[in-house]
Amino acid sequence: AQSVTQLGSHVSVSEGALVLLRCNYSSSVPPYLFWYVQYPNQGLQLLLKYTTGATLVKGINGFEAEFKKSETSFHLTKPSAHMSDAAEYFCAVIPYSGAGSYQLTFGKGTKLSVIP
Amino acid sequence: GAGVSQSPSNKVTEKGKDVELRCDPISGHTALYWYRQSLGQGLEFLIYFQGNSAPDKSGLPSDRFSAERTGGSVSTLTIQRTQQEDSAVYLCASINSGGATYNEQFFGPGTRLTVL
Repeated sequence: AQSVTQLGSHVSVSEGALVLLRCNYSSSVPPYLFWYVQYPNQGLQLLLKYTTGATLVKGINGFEAEFKKSETSFHLTKPSAHMSDAAEYFCAVIPYSGAGSYQLTFGKGTKLSVIP
Repeated sequence: GAGVSQSPSNKVTEKGKDVELRCDPISGHTALYWYRQSLGQGLEFLIYFQGNSAPDKSGLPSDRFSAERTGGSVSTLTIQRTQQEDSAVYLCASINSGGATYNEQFFGPGTRLTVL
């Protein structure tokens, strides 16, 4: 069974500071990896994903993440936080099994606050 | 093009009543998922539909929950004899399993269910 661990349910950063949201996964084989963002009272929006190929992936709104197989990690970063980045962020995985329903397994989420 | 839509956006019901939640996926998307987002459990997979195949119901928490997808498009999630622990946001997602973004799920805004 897979699991996703997001370190820190709440993270606060100052506007303009580095954003680092941590995600580790537990899987017997490297899965597909995703970061989603959820703004209040809205659904989930895909920020970025890793499937195969380059391990550093860039997403929307200036976010990027690096897949590190040796560390089973997929941390999300942004060099400079903006007030509009305040939201909840979810890391998720899909097993790379080539079969099945490909449902997402989510972490518990990290709520990001940006301090002016 | 329209995204995934869900109705109603909010539903308040009394314990013991039945409720129906609707999801309209993106036109042409062949697969559809239901997830539940609750404070205690986070985001959980409920059920998956792919074309005419038998649905994957492995995430349904009890036999009070059922779902159908008519004509390969609209889906309805039904909860019978609602309980207070059913209070949550129910999210629907669709995916173009035959396209280039086959592993990317597009989420609707969700239905917030409150059981009194």
